[in-house]
Amino acid sequence: KAGVTQTPRYLIKTRGQQVTLSCSPISGHRSVSWYQQTPGQGLQFLFEYFSETQRNKGNFPGRFSGRQFSNSRSEMNVSTLELGDSALYLCASSFRASGDEQYFGPGTRLTVT
Amino acid sequence: AQSVTQLDSQVPVFEEAPVELRCNYSSSVSVYLFWYVQYPNQGLQLLLKYLSGSTLVKGINGFEAEFNKSQTSFHLRKPSVHISDTAEYFCAVNSRSGGYNKLIFGAGTRLAVHP
Repeated sequence: KAGVTQTPRYLIKTRGQQVTLSCSPISGHRSVSWYQQTPGQGLQFLFEYFSETQRNKGNFPGRFSGRQFSNSRSEMNVSTLELGDSALYLCASSFRASGDEQYFGPGTRLTVT
Repeated sequence: AQSVTQLDSQVPVFEEAPVELRCNYSSSVSVYLFWYVQYPNQGLQLLLKYLSGSTLVKGINGFEAEFNKSQTSFHLRKPSVHISDTAEYFCAVNSRSGGYNKLIFGAGTRLAVHP
């Protein structure tokens, strides 16, 4: 089985722009979670989708949003980028609805200048 | 609220020596426990997990961890490390209640294996 894929792998944007990141989960997985990783804050949960529904959201401003499609692929969007949004964004997928191990993609490295 | 504390930010060790990476968690509900490893410029790879059953869990690459409910700990151990084990290790919890997948991570422990 192919693993979790994320595109693009690297991205450079300017303050004020918006960005969309994509995640394709492992085939058959219906849960997709997003995490932000920074040197200062570590790994922080952004949100989780299961069967196209957002079930949980972390403590991030409304500029961060996401969605999941019927094929379980997910996108996250960040509007009005700030310098502090520079981070590695990781996507993870799971088979079950809860209590399952999550399989991570390689991440998208976003740099905001 | 749940939280995870990894007691050591960095652990230097010589090749073939044993190592223990410490993890304590705080939660008002029962949790599932995980250890992940991250190599430079890569995502996270699952090393092992505790969902239920035996408190001693064996994972990949010779790692094992022991769940201690009374001490709320889930320490990771390896009897003999290799240079290739140099990486960052993350302990994580997921609540058993709530019915969702949401990992709370510790700050990470950087394991540096020296020849």
